[in-house]
Amino acid sequence: DVKVTQSSRYLVKRTGEKVFLECVQDMDHENMFWYRQDPGLGLRLIYFSYDVKMKEKGDIPEGYSVSREKKERFSLILESASTNQTSMYLCASSLSSRGRNQPQHFGDGTRLSIL
Amino acid sequence: AQSVTQPDIHITVSEGASLELRCNYSYGATPYLFWYVQSPGQGLQLLLKYFSGDTLVQGIKGFEAEFKRSQSSFNLRKPSVHWSDAAEYFCAVGRPNFGNEKLTFGTGTRLTIIP
Repeated sequence: DVKVTQSSRYLVKRTGEKVFLECVQDMDHENMFWYRQDPGLGLRLIYFSYDVKMKEKGDIPEGYSVSREKKERFSLILESASTNQTSMYLCASSLSSRGRNQPQHFGDGTRLSIL
Repeated sequence: AQSVTQPDIHITVSEGASLELRCNYSYGATPYLFWYVQSPGQGLQLLLKYFSGDTLVQGIKGFEAEFKRSQSSFNLRKPSVHWSDAAEYFCAVGRPNFGNEKLTFGTGTRLTIIP
């Protein structure tokens, strides 16, 4: 089975801090994704990456950046955390298959609180 | 751009009763369609997917979904629910387009099971 591991289940940070969320997958997937999940809004895509060092903005990239230096690892960075970034963050990965939208596999999420 | 609507925010059913969760999508051609389930504090788990072919798709945990092109729907069904089915359910749509393997998620339906 595919395993997507997020480094922290719960994280508490202060306003203005630089925050790193780490995600590692063990199935050699080309695609990796970062979402945030808020009640009533479902999952919203922040950034995704379809290859090492490649990234594309999702629907809500403002205030975030990402890094993908190795195929298995995709990091989400909050440059200067703000209280409106308090949320559940989900990482996912999928196999690239020439646009056939293979299923995405999810980590257990990081619940981030910004005080 | 594609979109997904899950019109029911919250559904309550009795244990042993049948279940249908609604999902409507907006996309010009036949999309790729997915149903995911999220138990409290967990990431999303794939229940089933539709790419093409038979419009009735079987998934895990006894779930099935039917793709109806004329109604732009992909409703999830289960003939008899169990208390362990209490969770949040997300429908997702993907566009068959090489290089763009993002999914768009609905806002979710929370399922409560009563004895």
